[in-house]
Amino acid sequence: GAGVSQSPSNKVTEKGKDVELRCDPISGHTALYWYRQSLGQGLEFLIYFQGNSAPDKSGLPSDRFSAERTGGSVSTLTIQRTQQEDSAVYLCASSLEPRGEQFFGPGTRLTVL
Amino acid sequence: AQSVTQLGSHVSVSEGALVLLRCNYSSSVPPYLFWYVQYPNQGLQLLLKYTSAATLVKGINGFEAEFKKSETSFHLTKPSAHMSDAAEYFCAVSPNSGYSTLTFGKGTMLLVSP
Repeated sequence: GAGVSQSPSNKVTEKGKDVELRCDPISGHTALYWYRQSLGQGLEFLIYFQGNSAPDKSGLPSDRFSAERTGGSVSTLTIQRTQQEDSAVYLCASSLEPRGEQFFGPGTRLTVL
Repeated sequence: AQSVTQLGSHVSVSEGALVLLRCNYSSSVPPYLFWYVQYPNQGLQLLLKYTSAATLVKGINGFEAEFKKSETSFHLTKPSAHMSDAAEYFCAVSPNSGYSTLTFGKGTMLLVSP
């Protein structure tokens, strides 16, 4: 069956531009997580969705970062006014239920010039 | 707060040798513990997990890990390394209640030489 998919796989943008990263979770998975993987910080949690609501946004690094999930399925992570320190691989994971095994997508590599 | 420490950013072994990747955790309550593997340009794949059942956990690809509460450790082992094991390995911890936000270690790159 289809796994978690993310698009685009690579994104190069200029400092100050806005970007949108998309995650398509496994069908039927109610929980969705965003993580960021960068050289300096390793893997960090960003935000957790249960259905369409986000009970835990504690990992979002600044108010330039936001995310939404619609229809209990697709999620979009938006970064406004990108900075060079936003360069990283953004990983999405989904699980059938909140305590279930997380299945990860291949990630989106974001490069901010 | 929870944290994970992986000793050694790089570990090199010969094919057929024992693999030992170290992980120590810090948690105020008994956690759940995980090992993930990441191959180049791919997402993370779960190798094994400890969820307070048996302390010796067997995973995929011949890997296993032992939860030692007294040492706050969850080291990953494999008796005989294969070339295909070369990848980056991440230890992670999550709370044992609520939802499963993962806190990851910095990762250990496993290099396997012929």
